[in-house]
Amino acid sequence: QKEVEQNSGPLSVPEGAIASLNCTYSDRGSQSFFWYRQYSGKSPELIMSIYSNGDKEDGRFTAQLNKASQYVSLLIRDSQPSDSATYLCAVGPSGGGADGLTFGKGTHLIIQP
Amino acid sequence: GAGVSQSPSNKVTEKGKDVELRCDPISGHTALYWYRQSLGQGLEFLIYFQGNSAPDKSGLPSDRFSAERTGGSVSTLTIQRTQQEDSAVYLCASSLTGLGTEAFFGQGTRLTVV
Repeated sequence: QKEVEQNSGPLSVPEGAIASLNCTYSDRGSQSFFWYRQYSGKSPELIMSIYSNGDKEDGRFTAQLNKASQYVSLLIRDSQPSDSATYLCAVGPSGGGADGLTFGKGTHLIIQP
Repeated sequence: GAGVSQSPSNKVTEKGKDVELRCDPISGHTALYWYRQSLGQGLEFLIYFQGNSAPDKSGLPSDRFSAERTGGSVSTLTIQRTQQEDSAVYLCASSLTGLGTEAFFGQGTRLTVV
């Protein structure tokens, strides 16, 4: 059974600081990794995807992947109150696998003004 | 369409009735997923389609739940003899190939069983 683990939080970060969200996964062969943001009462929205070890930056967001440690993280710089949401980590199948995405239960992030 | 479309947006049904939830994926997406989310909870995987076939049915909670996909496009999730514990938001997502490609969600169907 593939597992994706996240700290449920809440994670409270002051406005303007860096928010760091972490995720570990069990399937060593996984090739694709995603971060979704979900506001209360809304459906998940894809914000980042990463496929290779290292960092990937998009605006205020940076995704970091370390396949050896089976660890993926999301950094949000200059955090804004509008970043307050639940962040879901999702992991794709092993290379050549035909399975779907496996989601973590999410981390609830609160940005304090 | 431009995005994943789900209907209805809201459904209130009486206990014991059958309901059908519909998902229209992004055009050209071969993979389609159904998830369920109860209030304040994470995403519960239900079923995954690759084309018209469902290689992974492991998440369906009971035999009252079934899903089909025809023509590699629209999918229907059917819940028979609904129970109050079936009340949740049912989310559909689609991705281009399903082989680890990005998945995009519809707005969900909020099901309330009274």
